[in-house]
Amino acid sequence: DSGVTQTPKHLITATGQRVTLRCSPRSGDLSVYWYQQSLDQGLQFLIQYYNGEERAKGNILERFSAQQFPDLHSELNLSSLELGDSALYFCASSVEVRDTEAFFGQGTRLTVV
Amino acid sequence: AQKVTQAQTEISVVEKEDVTLDCVYETRDTTYYLFWYKQPPSGELVFLIRRNSFDEQNEISGRYSWNFQKSTSSFNFTITASQVVDSAVYFCALSEARRGSTLGRLYFGRGTQLTVWP
Repeated sequence: DSGVTQTPKHLITATGQRVTLRCSPRSGDLSVYWYQQSLDQGLQFLIQYYNGEERAKGNILERFSAQQFPDLHSELNLSSLELGDSALYFCASSVEVRDTEAFFGQGTRLTVV
Repeated sequence: AQKVTQAQTEISVVEKEDVTLDCVYETRDTTYYLFWYKQPPSGELVFLIRRNSFDEQNEISGRYSWNFQKSTSSFNFTITASQVVDSAVYFCALSEARRGSTLGRLYFGRGTQLTVWP
């Protein structure tokens, strides 16, 4: 168990809908990262938050947004869903110290039908 | 730009064979981190190892060993005496290091599917 909790584990929704994925980082970790894993693109970085503020942005679509709350949990919002958004979405967390690593949650498998 | 290449898409071995998973990376940074993660059929990403770019010592952990060579920009992973439970997708990843050597975003390779047959 990595200590990173993601909910829900599975999500099935229709095209055009909006969903929210939730992530609770490991205790003490201030950084949260979101990644998308799809067959086409592999594992791609979406966005990083540190202590409530956006730190870095990757290949995140405009239809997607994220935030990190004062209690450090994070949410990834996906809207106007398309079939191609079906993927495994991972959250990871890390501490902001030298020589650290990112610990990943179990992922949320999103299926858009 | 950062890039990680895992040229081996799939590898099949028989139990007890040794197997090496290749990883080649590209970066212009002088300070960076290299990682290996394991993704078993259940889907989670399991951290295996982190290497700092200044530490070229090879590492051994049980049946696992890693060979980091800056001269060839490679960070290869060897499993000795493989077991069926080693069957998984293995990802190599590179991270830029920020101020204070804290962790940036991870750039992943496409992964190598390892199947170990009994």
